[in-house]
Amino acid sequence: GENVEQHPSTLSVQEGDSAVIKCTYSDSASNYFPWYKQELGKRPQLIIDIRSNVGEKKDQRIAVTLNKTAKHFSLHITETQPEDSAVYFCAASGTGYSTLTFGKGTMLLVSP
Amino acid sequence: GAGVSQSPSNKVTEKGKDVELRCDPISGHTALYWYRQSLGQGLEFLIYFQGNSAPDKSGLPSDRFSAERTGGSVSTLTIQRTQQEDSAVYLCASSSSGSQNEQFFGPGTRLTVL
Repeated sequence: GENVEQHPSTLSVQEGDSAVIKCTYSDSASNYFPWYKQELGKRPQLIIDIRSNVGEKKDQRIAVTLNKTAKHFSLHITETQPEDSAVYFCAASGTGYSTLTFGKGTMLLVSP
Repeated sequence: GAGVSQSPSNKVTEKGKDVELRCDPISGHTALYWYRQSLGQGLEFLIYFQGNSAPDKSGLPSDRFSAERTGGSVSTLTIQRTQQEDSAVYLCASSSSGSQNEQFFGPGTRLTVL
């Protein structure tokens, strides 16, 4: 089955800095890669996703890049703000009825 | 519109008792997922429903765990003879169809086994 590795497990940055979270996956058939944000005590929510037919996708301060050859994808957050502080999960999925496999999460702390 | 709801929000039980956790997905969502999240851990997949059938139940940790879905809507996760290691937050999610659509999560049920 699919295996998703996520790094780092914790990341501390100063407000205004950029943050990068990296994930690798094992199943070359995976073609859908979402990122979820979970604030403390709240439910996970989708923030951005990318499919294998594109290499990069951007939405305001967040962007995701995908390298299918190397089987890794990354989340980039620019101009970080304290409200970006949360746990971020990457995930990977194949086609059809396959399920999402999540990474173990990255706790991002943005200090004012 | 209404999101995914789960009940109860908190459940405290004694070791050896059975518990039932309920999930009400977003109306019209055919796919439903159960996950387990232990303190500081990631999202551990348990089982996936498409309609009333479960194409993937590979994540259920033991035969004490079972789940069903009726009418293509409400799902119940049952844990028999609970153990202390079952203590966790159990999250349910639904999506419009399959895993390549956004999953909407419920608030979770926090289970504590004493």
